[in-house]
Amino acid sequence: DTEVTQTPKHLVMGMTNKKSLKCEQHMGHRAMYWYKQKAKKPPELMFVYSYEKLSINESVPSRFSPECPNSSLLNLHLHALQPEDSALYLCASSQDVSFNQPQHFGDGTRLSIL
Amino acid sequence: AQKITQTQPGMFVQEKEAVTLDCTYDTSDPSYGLFWYKQPSSGEMIFLIYQGSYDQQNATEGRYSLNFQKARKSANLVISASQLGDSAMYFCAMRENTGGFKTIFGAGTRLFVKA
Repeated sequence: DTEVTQTPKHLVMGMTNKKSLKCEQHMGHRAMYWYKQKAKKPPELMFVYSYEKLSINESVPSRFSPECPNSSLLNLHLHALQPEDSALYLCASSQDVSFNQPQHFGDGTRLSIL
Repeated sequence: AQKITQTQPGMFVQEKEAVTLDCTYDTSDPSYGLFWYKQPSSGEMIFLIYQGSYDQQNATEGRYSLNFQKARKSANLVISASQLGDSAMYFCAMRENTGGFKTIFGAGTRLFVKA
């Protein structure tokens, strides 16, 4: 069992829908991340939160909106997505953003845009 | 230029044998960390092992060991006594002290363990 919990595991939505992905960790980690992963490719960083503040936005389109309500929770709000946004979305956390800290990943949400 | 290079798109290994997955990296930062992650077909990314740039000894975690050759800028993963459950995608990754909180992933190596 992973210590980072992501819900839902699968999501199918239309291009006009609004949905949210949720991520929760109880390891006391102060850094949390969202990644997008296409099939047979490595994960691509989308956002980094450090101590609940957005530290990195990798030029992600505004139809993806992250939110960090507290140190344990990370959300990704989705609106008006495109078919090319279909992918596996991975949440991760680490003790902090130091270079020597491994990231712990959730199981991911498989997102399909119709 | 790619910062993490994994030259083996796919590898086969017989069950119970050892296998080495190659990884080379490129950085001018003296402070960095190297990581290996396993991703089964179900999707979750599992942290396996870490090697710091200042570590004198190779990292080991159970059946996993990291062959760290700093001068050659290589950080190969060695899996001993392969098991069927080791079949997965393996990613080598690096974080630099001046890297702005980012993890750089290699393209991955797909490992197939044969019974």
